[in-house]
Amino acid sequence: GQSLEQPSEVTAVEGAIVQMNCTYQTSGFYGLSWYQQHDGGAPTFLSYNALDGLEETGRFSSFLSRSDSYGYLLLQELQMKDSASYFCVLHSGNTPLVFGKGTRLSVIA
Amino acid sequence: GAVVSQHPSWVICKSGTSVKIECRSLDFQATTMFWYRQFPKQSLMLMATSNEGSKATYEQGVEKDKFLINHASLTLSTLTVTSAHPEDSSFYICSAAQTSGGPHEQYFGPGTRLTVT
Repeated sequence: GQSLEQPSEVTAVEGAIVQMNCTYQTSGFYGLSWYQQHDGGAPTFLSYNALDGLEETGRFSSFLSRSDSYGYLLLQELQMKDSASYFCVLHSGNTPLVFGKGTRLSVIA
Repeated sequence: GAVVSQHPSWVICKSGTSVKIECRSLDFQATTMFWYRQFPKQSLMLMATSNEGSKATYEQGVEKDKFLINHASLTLSTLTVTSAHPEDSSFYICSAAQTSGGPHEQYFGPGTRLTVT
C-alpha cells in the first residue's frame, strides 16, 4: 500500500524559515506534491517534485529524495498568513493517490 | 484561470434524504474530476475518480450505491449522497485537472459542508 508521514504540528516565528518533512512508502511512485489549506477553505497547489532535487517558487521550496523516500517543504520569510495546514500528496499516475495527514503550521509574532 | 466551483457551499438535510452536490470547472474542460471527503482536523480522503462519459472509479471502502457520481459533461460532475445519515456529515471537496497541465496540479473547489440531522 501507500502511506505518508508528516509531523502533526509546527510552530515558527514570523520572518523565520520553517521546514516541514514528509516520508512516504509506495510501490509505485510518480511524484510528490504539496498543498496548503486554510481552515474552512479548499486546498491550493504549492509545488510538485517528480525528480530528486529542489524546486523553488518564490518563498516556497520543495525537495525530494526518491532514494530516501523523503521530501520537505521549505517556507522562507514566514508571514502570519502562512498559518495553515500543509499536505504532502503521493502521486501514482494521474490520480492524487494519497494525502498525508498534514502539518498544521502556526506562525507567531 | 483554472477555477472550480461547487454548489451548494453548505447544506443541512434530514436523515434519510438525498443531497446532490455539483462541481463545475468554470474556464477549462476537465475529463477527470475527483471527489474527496474531509472530516474536521483530518486529511482529505479520495472517494472516487469521475470520468466524463463513463462510470466513476471508487476507492476501496466507498459505497458506490450510496455516493452516486455522474460526470455528464466536460465541465460538470455531480455527487449525490443517497439516504444520508449523520455519519455522512462532512466536508466534500471536488478537484479537477486541466488537460494541458501536469497531472499533479489539481484545482480544488471551495467545498461543500454537509450536515445531516
